Amino acid sequence: DTAVSQTPKYLVTQMGNDKSIKCEQNLGHDTMYWYKQDSKKFLKIMFSYNNKELIINETVPNRFSPKSPDKAHLNLHINSLELGDSAVYFCASSSIGEKLFFGSGTQLSVL
Amino acid sequence: GESVGLHLPTLSVQEGDNSIINCAYSNSASDYFIWYKQESGKGPQFIIDIRSNMDKRQGQRVTVLLNKTVKHLSLQIAATQPGDSAVYFCAENIPSGYALNFGKGTSLLVTP
Repeated sequence: DTAVSQTPKYLVTQMGNDKSIKCEQNLGHDTMYWYKQDSKKFLKIMFSYNNKELIINETVPNRFSPKSPDKAHLNLHINSLELGDSAVYFCASSSIGEKLFFGSGTQLSVL
Repeated sequence: GESVGLHLPTLSVQEGDNSIINCAYSNSASDYFIWYKQESGKGPQFIIDIRSNMDKRQGQRVTVLLNKTVKHLSLQIAATQPGDSAVYFCAENIPSGYALNFGKGTSLLVTP
């Protein structure tokens, strides 16, 4: 069983569209995250949720809206996609203060 | 292990040699450090971690060293194998405990 699964793996879309990425973890963790990896491989925290509550919201445009319906799910919705949003987005989960387990990533390409 | 210019720093080693990947962390209040391995097309994968009350921790073929005085972390891989070729990241916890900050990554290339 995949511990942290995110869908889709690839997402190709036009500028201005709205898209969502879904994430689910079956590890029983109480904290989930979204990270963005740019073309230089730099991994940057976007959001973290603990028990469905938003804890960290880095300087991310408000076009990005995370939603956590329950502790096992953290989805990412992006409005009005821009060229600069092209990147790989990783979902992760952990217990507080422990190592993160990552999904396999969603490669978003905005044309 | 810090990035210079536009490209990831690259460490090239021969199969069977030992590898050392270095990382400078930024926050003196961080108390938990992790090394991750990322293969092409995959998510970062946990290798080994260390808490600030230790200065060395060993796993299978890997050792992490922590020098809090100079805020330096290193990953040693013994008898490097082609399967070790990947990008390696160090990470430090944000003191609140609710995320990790990642370093800029080092690309390890193992040649036969």
